[in-house]
Amino acid sequence: DAGVTQSPTHLIKTRGQQVTLRCSPKSGHDTVSWYQQALGQGPQFIFQYYEEEERQRGNFPDRFSGHQFPNYSSELNVNALLLGDSALYLCASSPLGAKNIQYFGAGTRLSVL
Amino acid sequence: GENVEQHPSTLSVQEGDSAVIKCTYSDSASNYFPWYKQELGKGPQLIIDIRSNVGEKKDQRIAVTLNKTAKHFSLHITETQPEDSAVYFCAADDSSYKLIFGSGTRLLVRP
Repeated sequence: DAGVTQSPTHLIKTRGQQVTLRCSPKSGHDTVSWYQQALGQGPQFIFQYYEEEERQRGNFPDRFSGHQFPNYSSELNVNALLLGDSALYLCASSPLGAKNIQYFGAGTRLSVL
Repeated sequence: GENVEQHPSTLSVQEGDSAVIKCTYSDSASNYFPWYKQELGKGPQLIIDIRSNVGEKKDQRIAVTLNKTAKHFSLHITETQPEDSAVYFCAADDSSYKLIFGSGTRLLVRP
């Protein structure tokens, strides 16, 4: 049984560009949450998707947006990249009826130059 | 909103000794408290969790305790092994399914 998979593993962008990160949840999971983890810090909640809609959002600007597809996979989009967006972006999936039990993928390391 | 504080930031123990990591939370409505282990280059791995209707939970060498009155919860690792070396994060669910994480504890187990 595959765990949470994220792609790509690493990404380098320049300021002002746009980026799309992808996440496939564990089999049987219907909820996807996205987190940003800066170096040396704990993950910070960006938003959560289930039933193809954004249900919860953390303190992140509108430059951060997402989508969930009918197969429960998800994308995170960041527009107008800033140097401060450099971080590890983590996706977590949750099983049916247990949205707070979250299993994380290995993340996408984004570097903005 | 919820705030989670974690101590210590670094912890060095001899192999075979016990390690204890402590967290406090601010929102009395929080009812779910997971612990994650993060190794270098990997995502956080859920190692144990506890709900607010339980005071203690054990899984082999790992245990978690919760004091709702004091808003404290702790991770206890007994008989530590070098492979326990990693960064450990506590978290609290703010009752809306968002996890609020502590700042992490870097555990080093010396052989």
